[in-house]
Amino acid sequence: AAGVIQSPRHLIKEKRETATLKCYPIPRHDTVYWYQQGPGQDPQFLISFYEKMQSDKGSIPDRFSAQQFSDYHSELNMSSLELGDSALYFCASSLEGLGSHEQYFGPGTRLTVT
Amino acid sequence: AQTVTQSQPEMSVQEAETVTLSCTYDTSESDYYLFWYKQPPSRQMILVIRQEAYKQQNATENRFSVNFQKAAKSFSLKISDSQLGDAAMYFCASSARGYGQNFVFGPGTRLSVLP
Repeated sequence: AAGVIQSPRHLIKEKRETATLKCYPIPRHDTVYWYQQGPGQDPQFLISFYEKMQSDKGSIPDRFSAQQFSDYHSELNMSSLELGDSALYFCASSLEGLGSHEQYFGPGTRLTVT
Repeated sequence: AQTVTQSQPEMSVQEAETVTLSCTYDTSESDYYLFWYKQPPSRQMILVIRQEAYKQQNATENRFSVNFQKAAKSFSLKISDSQLGDAAMYFCASSARGYGQNFVFGPGTRLSVLP
């Protein structure tokens, strides 16, 4: 079965640079979520989109922005990167239209800021 | 607001034995979901089991079952016939019902399975 795809899997950036993370949800899934997981931490919710509209917002820094496109893929844009942004970034998708609410996670993008 | 607490940072179990991981939560929502996710060393987050709060019957998935005590706001996970592949970090999570509602995760319990 198709899973959530995230690219790139690994990314190394320098401080103050910009990064773009991409997420391709499971086909027919209508909702995308972004999470940040620091070392030894639980995942922290950043933002979600349902049918291409922002649905819920968590502790996402103003330096970050995200959107969901017409083909349902989503991108997380991160600017003015800081050392503390180094983390594993997960994208998850679900089929909310049928009331499933089961989030299926991608493999994550490991971002290292030097 | 939602909070999830897992009071056991680490647990260990002998292979083929049974282990129970604890989780308590707090929520102001009247309708919500509870989940257990497993994160092995690969860091992939894998859904283990889901419980809808309005259902009184405890969810079961093969060797995994939950004990959902709504009044006590408790949601424990029981793993029967533990296998080496069950070794992972286990996260309890809650979410309100609604489109795109985020998950709130607990701090996790690291489970070791001893051969």
